[in-house]
Amino acid sequence: GNSVTQMEGPVTLSEEAFLTINCTYTATGYPSLFWYVQYPGEGLQLLLKATKADDKGSNKGFEATYRKETTSFHLEKGSVQVSDSAVYFCALSDQWAGSYQLTFGKGTKLSVIP
Amino acid sequence: DAGVIQSPRHEVTEMGQEVTLRCKPISGHDYLFWYRQTMMRGLELLIYFNNNVPIDDSGMPEDRFSAKMPNASFSTLKIQPSEPRDSAVYFCASSRTGQVTTDTQYFGPGTRLTVL
Repeated sequence: GNSVTQMEGPVTLSEEAFLTINCTYTATGYPSLFWYVQYPGEGLQLLLKATKADDKGSNKGFEATYRKETTSFHLEKGSVQVSDSAVYFCALSDQWAGSYQLTFGKGTKLSVIP
Repeated sequence: DAGVIQSPRHEVTEMGQEVTLRCKPISGHDYLFWYRQTMMRGLELLIYFNNNVPIDDSGMPEDRFSAKMPNASFSTLKIQPSEPRDSAVYFCASSRTGQVTTDTQYFGPGTRLTVL
């Protein structure tokens, strides 16, 4: 079956530090990959996505590249801000299973300190 | 646009009691999804609807859980009887077409349920 594995958190960084959150996946077919962000007290929001191998998704300074050879979709940001403190979820949608459903990782909590 | 609205935001109840969670999707969205989030299992899809009709309820954990969508602007998730292991955050989400690759699911703020 489909699964997503994220690095364990929490992750604590100083402002302006470089961020990497690792994500690897297992899927049948040809998945699309997503990163969602959940700010405190809010629901999840789509941050970025990539629908085929070697695609790069980007938004708000965050980037992730779909690496089929390593089955990975690591999230990166060059300089984090306090406002980036949130929980980040990696997810996939498997084309073979229909594109209505998302399989999520367990989330990685990021805290950015001034 | 008010976004997806869920109520209540917090619910504390005792084991054996009936619990009803409510969701109002974004107007014009034909798809509605219910998710459950726990520390152990992460975020799981419970059920989703298209045009008020349940399409896939394979994620519903057991018969104690039921979901309905009587009209395009309202859905409920009911647990009867509730058990402590049902304690979780329950999210509702909606989208226009349901296709996650080309569309976006908009999530509500969630209902935090605690069953004592």
